[in-house]
Amino acid sequence: AQSVTQLGSHVSVSEGALVLLRCNYSSSVPPYLFWYVQYPNQGLQLLLKYTSAATLVKGINGFEAEFKKSETSFHLTKPSAHMSDAAEYFCAVSPGGATNKLIFGTGTLLAVQP
Amino acid sequence: NAGVTQTPKFQVLKTGQSMTLQCAQDMNHNSMYWYRQDPGMGLRLIYYSASEGTTDKGEVPNGYNVSRLNKREFSLRLESAAPSQTSVYFCASSERGGLSSYNSPLHFGNGTRLTVT
Repeated sequence: AQSVTQLGSHVSVSEGALVLLRCNYSSSVPPYLFWYVQYPNQGLQLLLKYTSAATLVKGINGFEAEFKKSETSFHLTKPSAHMSDAAEYFCAVSPGGATNKLIFGTGTLLAVQP
Repeated sequence: NAGVTQTPKFQVLKTGQSMTLQCAQDMNHNSMYWYRQDPGMGLRLIYYSASEGTTDKGEVPNGYNVSRLNKREFSLRLESAAPSQTSVYFCASSERGGLSSYNSPLHFGNGTRLTVT
């Protein structure tokens, strides 16, 4: 069965500092991986996705993620945090096949300190 | 530009009461989903509908039923609410399911916050 593990339920960074949110996956087949962001009192929005075209994936708002098969990781990074980045971030894996049933991680709440 | 609309936004029920959560999308998407979000557990799939006229169970279907009324609408019904169903419920849609579904991101509504006392 496929799954994702997000290390760190809460991450706090200073404005302007590097953001690193960790995600490790477990999959018996080449995975499709996603990062979603949830702002307070809103639904989730797609940040970026990995579908095997390129290992370094760029998303919206300056975020990017690198797929590392040897480490089974898909960590999310942003060089310089902004106050508006404060949100909850979810890593997800798609089993593919006949449906689009994403399996989500437990989420990482990012706080950005002034 | 409504996207995915969920009603109601908030609801309080007593144990044993029933209710239906409504979801509608205006993006002509084929697939629709119901998730629940609980602290520390991420999102878990309750039911999904790959296309109009089909529904299937997800990870946590017990205590729920769904209806894909037409291509736009997908409702979630709690027949006899229990405190364990206190959660935030999200409806989502995607353009397609199928083998290329990974290229079809999910679009989420803003959620329904349900409390069962």
